[in-house]
Amino acid sequence: AQSVTQPDIHITVSEGASLELRCNYSYGATPYLFWYVQSPGQGLQLLLKYFSGDTLVQGIKGFEAEFKRSQSSFNLRKPSVHWSDAAEYFCAVGPVGTYKYIFGTGTRLKVLA
Amino acid sequence: NAGVTQTPKFQVLKTGQSMTLQCAQDMNHNSMYWYRQDPGMGLRLIYYSASEGTTDKGEVPNGYNVSRLNKREFSLRLESAAPSQTSVYFCASSAGGVGSNQPQHFGDGTRLSIL
Repeated sequence: AQSVTQPDIHITVSEGASLELRCNYSYGATPYLFWYVQSPGQGLQLLLKYFSGDTLVQGIKGFEAEFKRSQSSFNLRKPSVHWSDAAEYFCAVGPVGTYKYIFGTGTRLKVLA
Repeated sequence: NAGVTQTPKFQVLKTGQSMTLQCAQDMNHNSMYWYRQDPGMGLRLIYYSASEGTTDKGEVPNGYNVSRLNKREFSLRLESAAPSQTSVYFCASSAGGVGSNQPQHFGDGTRLSIL
């Protein structure tokens, strides 16, 4: 069955430090992959997406993600974290079948000043 | 751009009461979705609508009904609310379509508490 795993429930980093959030997926074919960010009290905002081609994709707010087929991973990175990046991050794959999207359980990022 | 608009933003109900959560999108998207978000469980799909006039069950449809009123609007109804339905509900839309690579766009959510 298709699934998305985000192994880290919580991550804490210091402001200015680098960040990597992990995402592993299980899918029968090359997936469409997404990262979303959710600030407190808000909906999910798309950070970036991967469909095909270059395996390193750039997104908004200085984020990037790398698709590694051999590892079934799509990890999110940022070279230098800002306090405003504190939020919850969700990895997703889809559409599965026709219209469904599968989300990971999220990683909550805390940024220390 | 309004995007996806959900109403109300907050609601408190008593067990057994009914209510309808409203969702509208102005992006001319074909597909619309209702999710619930609970701590540690990510987003779980309740119902979705691939196009106007069609609806399908997701992972957790029990206790809910939906109506795709037109291309813009997709409502979620709780007929007899239960405390287990206390959650944050998100509506989303997508350009959709078989094999589509389009992402979903989300509303800001409805925070529902059932006492």
